[in-house]
Amino acid sequence: DAGVIQSPRHEVTEMGQEVTLRCKPISGHNSLFWYRQTMMRGLELLIYFNNNVPIDDSGMPEDRFSAKMPNASFSTLKIQPSEPRDSAVYFCASSLRTLGGEQYFGPGTRLTVT
Amino acid sequence: DQQVKQNSPSLSVQEGRISILNCDYTNSMFDYFLWYKKYPAEGPTFLISISSIKDKNEDGRFTVFLNKSAKHLSLHIVPSQPGDSAVYFCAASARNYGQNFVFGPGTRLSVLP
Repeated sequence: DAGVIQSPRHEVTEMGQEVTLRCKPISGHNSLFWYRQTMMRGLELLIYFNNNVPIDDSGMPEDRFSAKMPNASFSTLKIQPSEPRDSAVYFCASSLRTLGGEQYFGPGTRLTVT
Repeated sequence: DQQVKQNSPSLSVQEGRISILNCDYTNSMFDYFLWYKKYPAEGPTFLISISSIKDKNEDGRFTVFLNKSAKHLSLHIVPSQPGDSAVYFCAASARNYGQNFVFGPGTRLSVLP
């Protein structure tokens, strides 16, 4: 298996632009997680899905952030409009179990908003 | 309010010696703990886990110890190798209470040849 795939690996955009991050989880995994990593706050869980359904989005910082999982093999995290403080590395992870199971992380998308 | 703390941002150890990475937590409902290792430009990778019903779990050179009364866990790497140089994250979950993982801020380990 190729593991969790994220695209793009790097994204540089201007403030106010829409940004879409993409994730393909490991085949057969039924849970998907979006994390954000910053120097100040470390690794934060933004939202997670179980069987394509959002379960907990309490970590999503603002209404500018939205996530979807239209099917078992694809998810997006969208920021609209983007702001410089959104600059971070965004990780997607998938797991066989929703709670407490080992999560497999993608390589991350480094987002820079200027 | 950090529920999972790793108070040492960095640690340097000589090759062949023991590396001890520490993690403290505040939420007494946490019942499952993981350690992840992260290399630059890669996502975190799972290393070892421990359930709250145990106080020790061992996998090769890696051993995790859990002290529930102190709300403390540690990761021991023996012997340390240069390839172990990475950032190590501690993560805790309250599985039985429906809570997912909370990650610590990480400790950067440097193993010197």
